[in-house]
Amino acid sequence: DIQMTQSPSTLSASVGDRVTITCRAGQSVSSCLAWYQQKAGKAPKLLIYKASSLESGVPSRFSGGGSGTEFTLTISSLQPDDFATYYCQQCSSYPWTFGQGTKVEFK
Amino acid sequence: EVQVLESGGGLVQPGGSLRLSCAASGFTFSSYAMSWVRQAPGKGLEWVSVISGGGGTTYYADSVEGRFTISRDNSKNTLYLQMNSLRAEDTAVYYCAKTVQFTYYYDSTGYYFGYWGQGTLVTVSS
Repeated sequence: DIQMTQSPSTLSASVGDRVTITCRAGQSVSSCLAWYQQKAGKAPKLLIYKASSLESGVPSRFSGGGSGTEFTLTISSLQPDDFATYYCQQCSSYPWTFGQGTKVEFK
Repeated sequence: EVQVLESGGGLVQPGGSLRLSCAASGFTFSSYAMSWVRQAPGKGLEWVSVISGGGGTTYYADSVEGRFTISRDNSKNTLYLQMNSLRAEDTAVYYCAKTVQFTYYYDSTGYYFGYWGQGTLVTVSS
């Protein structure tokens, strides 16, 4: 199985901050990586697919980068609606695996 | 508007069975793979299973292989998950997800979970 490791596990930030979350894969997944946002008690929502493609309707302050084993999710200017938990997920090989999550909380 | 609505969750004893359903609308159901993803209380996301649009290809997580069966009825736009020999560690919210195909690295096929339902809670306890 491909292990996905996110860092940090928790991130404290303020509105307006630039925030970057890192996701590392145990082996290359090329660009077969997605990012999801989940708010408490709600279903996850797709933000980014194919490592850097922005899902329709997702604000442009979200961006994804990287390939192979190291990926990033960046929020250029954190908004109140962005405080949530973020997960990366690889689709390169079965079983598809998620990172453990990064919780973005108020500083 | 895309909608997926899970049902069938509840309390079941260890060793018991349960069948989850997911009713889909707002897209051409048979053209998309569909997946189940679960989340144990207070934990992260775990992919469970995927089925191709035609239903002929399925994959499972090791943790459920041999106990769970994914299926679909394209005439009813409905996805199913038959869960047998349930264990306490199967306790989770189960999400149904529209699974979208894309091409990367020249000609490799990847998938992402394009739309998720609100989930149904399965509790395995005596």
